[in-house]
Amino acid sequence: DAGVTQSPTHLIKTRGQQVTLRCSPKSGHDTVSWYQQALGQGPQFIFQYYEEEERQRGNFPDRFSGHQFPNYSSELNVNALLLGDSALYLCASSLVQAGSTDTQYFGPGTRLTVL
Amino acid sequence: GESVGLHLPTLSVQEGDNSIINCAYSNSASDYFIWYKQESGKGPQFIIDIRSNMDKRQGQRVTVLLNKTVKHLSLQIAATQPGDSAVYFCAENFNTGRRALTFGSGTRLQVQP
Repeated sequence: DAGVTQSPTHLIKTRGQQVTLRCSPKSGHDTVSWYQQALGQGPQFIFQYYEEEERQRGNFPDRFSGHQFPNYSSELNVNALLLGDSALYLCASSLVQAGSTDTQYFGPGTRLTVL
Repeated sequence: GESVGLHLPTLSVQEGDNSIINCAYSNSASDYFIWYKQESGKGPQFIIDIRSNMDKRQGQRVTVLLNKTVKHLSLQIAATQPGDSAVYFCAENFNTGRRALTFGSGTRLQVQP
């Protein structure tokens, strides 16, 4: 059973550029959440996608956008990169279950470095 | 691999001892709590969860205790092994369904052989 996969593993960009990160959820999962983890800190919620729509968003600017495809995979796009966007970007997938809180399972992350 | 948690609180234990990692959560409305383990260069790995209608839940070598009165959560690891060395995060969630997780700042567990 394949777990959550993310690509690329590492990425180096310069300020002002745009980046796209990709995530494939765990088999059978339909919901994808994205988190940003700065060095030495816990993950911070960016947004969550379900049924190809953004269902909830954290305190991140509009430079951060996303998409979910019919096969439940997802992309995270960041425009006009800033030095402060350097972080580990984590994707988590889960399955909506009526009357239950869905457990989120994380991928290995994409390490983004902005120079 | 990358280093996660350069300046985190650190708990150092001897192999074979029991470990207790504590977490204070922030939202009294939170009704679901999860412990994650994060090894260097990897994403967080689910360990155990507990809902607010429980005060204790046991897994394999792990026990989570929840004290809603003081908004405190703990993770107990029995017979700690070198492979348990990692950063441990507690996360909270309020309302069931597709909601964001709010993570604590993490604790680094170091197991001495």
